[in-house]
Amino acid sequence: DTAVSQTPKYLVTQMGNDKSIKCEQNLGHDTMYWYKQDSKKFLKIMFSYNNKELIINETVPNRFSPKSPDKAHLNLHINSLELGDSAVYFCASSQDQSTGGYNSPLHFGNGTRLTVT
Amino acid sequence: DAKTTQPNSMESNEEEPVHLPCNHSTISGTDYIHWYRQLPSQGPEYVIHGLTSNVNNRMASLAIAEDRKSSTLILHRATLRDAAVYYCILRDTTDSWGKLQFGAGTQVVVTP
Repeated sequence: DTAVSQTPKYLVTQMGNDKSIKCEQNLGHDTMYWYKQDSKKFLKIMFSYNNKELIINETVPNRFSPKSPDKAHLNLHINSLELGDSAVYFCASSQDQSTGGYNSPLHFGNGTRLTVT
Repeated sequence: DAKTTQPNSMESNEEEPVHLPCNHSTISGTDYIHWYRQLPSQGPEYVIHGLTSNVNNRMASLAIAEDRKSSTLILHRATLRDAAVYYCILRDTTDSWGKLQFGAGTQVVVTP
């Protein structure tokens, strides 16, 4: 019973295509995140949603559009893919800071490796 | 945001303790010290966190300097499974959403 699951695990596509990555968590958490890990292995936060509302948007190009249909899901849609979008994308979730405490740990999925050719 | 500094890599023999240092000289009073690790081909995993006092859990211990400008993560008996990148992160409790900002981390190599 995976806590945070992402699909697909691998995604290979051509420049200019549109693709989506799905994320689901079964931990009952209120807050979900998308992180990007580039080829130099730096992990950077992209977005965060709390109770389906966008709360963090770290100056990500608007080709990236997160969508949260409910608290347990946060999907990432990417339009007009570029070579520089190649990376590993991680979804994560945590308890709402106001209910779970300011130090509620983040639980990460195992990532989606996106390769744009 | 306050930053942390960690060595790029550390090596240890299996079943020996590993002490991972982290410097955070600009830490503020509202920052908690968090540690995460990332095993190969996996997402980051929470290890431990603390504010001022030393902390222990089943995974590791966290020793925090009295002035809070540095801390050390201690893995008591390294196993091959502990080979990972370990991240020391300051988490600001005045930031309601508590986002984590990852640095480069320390690559831990465990040799049999």
